[in-house]
Amino acid sequence: EVQLVESGGGLVQPGGSLRLSCAASGFTFSSYWMSWVRQAPGKGLEWVANIKQDGSEKYYVDSVKGRFTISRDNAKNSLYLQMNSLRAEDTAVYYCARDGQTVTPSVDYWGQGTLVTVSS
Amino acid sequence: QSVLTQPPSVSGAPGQRVTISCTGSSSNIGAGYDVHWYQQLPGTAPKLLIYGNNNRPSGVPDRFSGSKSGTSASLAITGLQAEDEADYYCQSYDSSLSGWVFGGGTKLTVL
Repeated sequence: EVQLVESGGGLVQPGGSLRLSCAASGFTFSSYWMSWVRQAPGKGLEWVANIKQDGSEKYYVDSVKGRFTISRDNAKNSLYLQMNSLRAEDTAVYYCARDGQTVTPSVDYWGQGTLVTVSS
Repeated sequence: QSVLTQPPSVSGAPGQRVTISCTGSSSNIGAGYDVHWYQQLPGTAPKLLIYGNNNRPSGVPDRFSGSKSGTSASLAITGLQAEDEADYYCQSYDSSLSGWVFGGGTKLTVL
C-alpha cells in the first residue's frame, strides 16, 4: 500500500524557516517524480514544486522561487521542502504527492498533509 | 484567479446528472495537455478521480466520466449520490508558466 506521511509543519513567524519532510513507503520511491502541493485555508489547490527521480531536475511555482528548495533522499525514501523567508501567504496545508506516470503530470497518491501557519 | 476556470458551485438531486466545466487557454488545455480531476471530501486529502481526460483509476465508479474539447474539459457525474458531495478540482500543465495549474475548485452539493 502506497503511503506518504508528512511532518514538520507548525507555527512560524514571518521571515522564518521550516523544513517539511515526507516519508514514503509501499512503492519504489526512486522511480517516481515527487511533488509538493499546498492548499491555503478555505482555498483551492496550488502546485508548489516537483523533483525528478534522481533529483537532477527541480521546478517551482513563481511565488516560491528563491525561497523554497525541494530535495529528496532516495536511500531514505524521503522528500523534503526547505522553506525560507516565509510569508503570511505561505500559510497552508502542504501535501506530499506522488506524480502519476501520465504524459501530462498528475498526482496519483497524496499524503494527509501538514499545516504550516506563518504568523506573528 | 486560477489559470483554469471552474464554476464555484453546482448542485443536483440524488440520481441526477451534473457536469463541472474546466476552461483553460491555448497554453494549457488548448495546447494539448491532458486534464486530470480530483475529488476532495470534507476534511480529507484530494483523491485522483479521472486522469488523462477520461480514464478512471481502479476503484472509481463508472458514474464518473471526463471529456476534453478544445480549450475546455468537463467532469460528468451520473446517478448522483449523497457521498459525492465534495470539492472537485481540474488540473493540467501550462507551457507559459512551465508548471502545473489547477482550477479554483467546484463545490458539489447533493440536494
